[in-house]
Amino acid sequence: QVQLVESGGGVVQPGGSLRLSCTASGFTFINFGIHWVRQAPGEGLEWVAFIRYDGSNKYYADSVKGRFTISRNNSKSTLYLQMNSLRAEDTAVYYCAKDRAIQSTRGSGYLHSWGQGTLVIVSS
Amino acid sequence: QSALTQEASVSGTVGQKVTLSCTGNSNNIGSYAVAWYQQISHGAPKTLMFENSQPSGVPDRFSSSKSGTTASLTISGLQPEDEADYYCSTWDYSLSAYVFGTGTKVTVL
Repeated sequence: QVQLVESGGGVVQPGGSLRLSCTASGFTFINFGIHWVRQAPGEGLEWVAFIRYDGSNKYYADSVKGRFTISRNNSKSTLYLQMNSLRAEDTAVYYCAKDRAIQSTRGSGYLHSWGQGTLVIVSS
Repeated sequence: QSALTQEASVSGTVGQKVTLSCTGNSNNIGSYAVAWYQQISHGAPKTLMFENSQPSGVPDRFSSSKSGTTASLTISGLQPEDEADYYCSTWDYSLSAYVFGTGTKVTVL
């Protein structure tokens, strides 16, 4: 079955960097776009970024544009989120989620499968 | 960047029908399919509905609809296990981004 496992979370100082990973299994990774979604403590879900199945298109929320970079290694079935210039407001659980659409430019918005999340804390 | 507005909370008794709303505009709900997600006790979200289809395993007491720039999720026959947070989501053309709603907490009395 589809499995997504996030890793790389931890505590980082404001202004620092962190790279999250999402390792996928149970489906043909190269065929599907993947999203990052985050949830700050006590807050709602916030969409962060999406990458097309082949990595050629990427979309970002305004709140992370210019600071975060989404990428993927299809040979390793792994998704990444490079987070730079981190701020306290980036503190959240970060989830990766598989889009249901096959080989779609911007996905369908149908986040069909989710990982369990990894916690990022930005604090001095 | 929350372009979609949901009720903060909705409550009902077991067996009651409750309807949650998600209000956007012509750049998002008015033009694109809406997904609904359930999150229990801040665990990983679970996909409930996308347009009018639902993943296998989702009880058929959940249904969704859309009219203009407002989407709705209806729970027909509320159950104790439905106590959770519910989020809508769709693509926003003007933002070139996906957006989630503010979320609705459903309480079963």
